[in-house]
Amino acid sequence: GIQVEQSPPDLILQEGANSTLRCNFSDSVNNLQWFHQNPWGQLINLFYIPSGTKQNGRLSATTVATERYSLLYISSSQTTDSGVYFCAVIINTGTASKLTFGTGTRLQVTL
Amino acid sequence: NAGVMQNPRHLVRRRGQEARLRCSPMKGHSHVYWYRQLPEEGLKFMVYLQKENIIDESGMPKERFSAEFPKEGPSILRIQQVVRGDSAAYFCASSPGLAGGGNEQFFGPGTRLTV
Repeated sequence: GIQVEQSPPDLILQEGANSTLRCNFSDSVNNLQWFHQNPWGQLINLFYIPSGTKQNGRLSATTVATERYSLLYISSSQTTDSGVYFCAVIINTGTASKLTFGTGTRLQVTL
Repeated sequence: NAGVMQNPRHLVRRRGQEARLRCSPMKGHSHVYWYRQLPEEGLKFMVYLQKENIIDESGMPKERFSAEFPKEGPSILRIQQVVRGDSAAYFCASSPGLAGGGNEQFFGPGTRLTV
């Protein structure tokens, strides 16, 4: 099956710093989503981005489908950004619908 | 604008009992997915359903687990004779039935099962 790798696995930032999270995938995809799982376990949709670039406030994401990777940028990080960030993909077969999740990047933002 | 609803949010069962987890998709969504997250791990796909049909159950354990999405009412994930290893967070997601696959999925708050 498709492999989804995220890096780095762990990241500690001081409040105000910027960061880049990476997601590599091993096959052609027609869905790529980024999620934030907060410390209470809730899974929050950040981006639906099978290709191209999107921005939402301090967050932005870019997917280069032809090179099979996606990047999530967090600028001016805040303590509320702490949690685990997951990338998830659906392979491009026209009918497949299950998301395959990466192992996540655990982010801790300190004061 | 209600999102995906799951209940209960927390469920405690003794070994051997049954667990029933419910999921109501977002308004207008006809596709439902169930995922399981074991402690300190990522989410793993279990089953994909449309109304009255199981489309893909390749991630579902062969025994004790079943899922349904009836014509009326919520989708149900049922775990019979629970064991300690079933303790996990169970997330439901929904998507619209747009052609071509790959639709964006929206997740509920999850049900945390403790056995």
